[in-house]
Amino acid sequence: GAGVSQSPSNKVTEKGKDVELRCDPISGHTALYWYRQSLGQGLEFLIYFQGNSAPDKSGLPSDRFSAERTGGSVSTLTIQRTQQEDSAVYLCASSLKAGANSPLHFGNGTRLTVT
Amino acid sequence: KQEVTQIPAALSVPEGENLVLNCSFTDSAIYNLQWFRQDPGKGLTSLLLIQSSQREQTSGRLNASLDKSSGRSTLYIAASQPGDSATYLCAVNAGGTSYGKLTFGQGTILTVHP
Repeated sequence: GAGVSQSPSNKVTEKGKDVELRCDPISGHTALYWYRQSLGQGLEFLIYFQGNSAPDKSGLPSDRFSAERTGGSVSTLTIQRTQQEDSAVYLCASSLKAGANSPLHFGNGTRLTVT
Repeated sequence: KQEVTQIPAALSVPEGENLVLNCSFTDSAIYNLQWFRQDPGKGLTSLLLIQSSQREQTSGRLNASLDKSSGRSTLYIAASQPGDSATYLCAVNAGGTSYGKLTFGQGTILTVHP
């Protein structure tokens, strides 16, 4: 079946602009996760959703970052007033249910470049 | 704070060799541990998930073991093939309210040459 789908695959934006990244999880997966991967930092947790609620937002780097999930499906990660240090690959993952020992399945990511 | 370390950082082997990748973690209070592979420009592919109560998991030529008390996991790849070339990452899940928050190692870059 279809895997986790992320769009766009690449995004180049000017410093100070807002960007929206989209994630479409695997059908039937109730948990959804956002991670960021950058050189030198490895993979960093940003936020996860169980259904439409976000029990853990502790990884969001600043108040410029926000995420929402509606209808228990698609999620968007929004970065306001982008900075050059926001350049990274943003990865989304989903699993059947958080806390159920179900593996995470990742999308191919969105490569964000802030110029 | 949980820290995950992977050794070696890079490994190059001839085709057909058996190999072991190592992962260590500082806090043994984990819920599960997951091994992933990542191909260049791609996302992560889940290979094996070991629950905290388990000692090992097997899938095809892959075998992952877990020793919680010593904070170690190994990924064993039998009869390596060039298609196994990728970055291998281990990730620890603390569970509870932090379930979604995996802590990743920096990865081992594996090259299998014909």
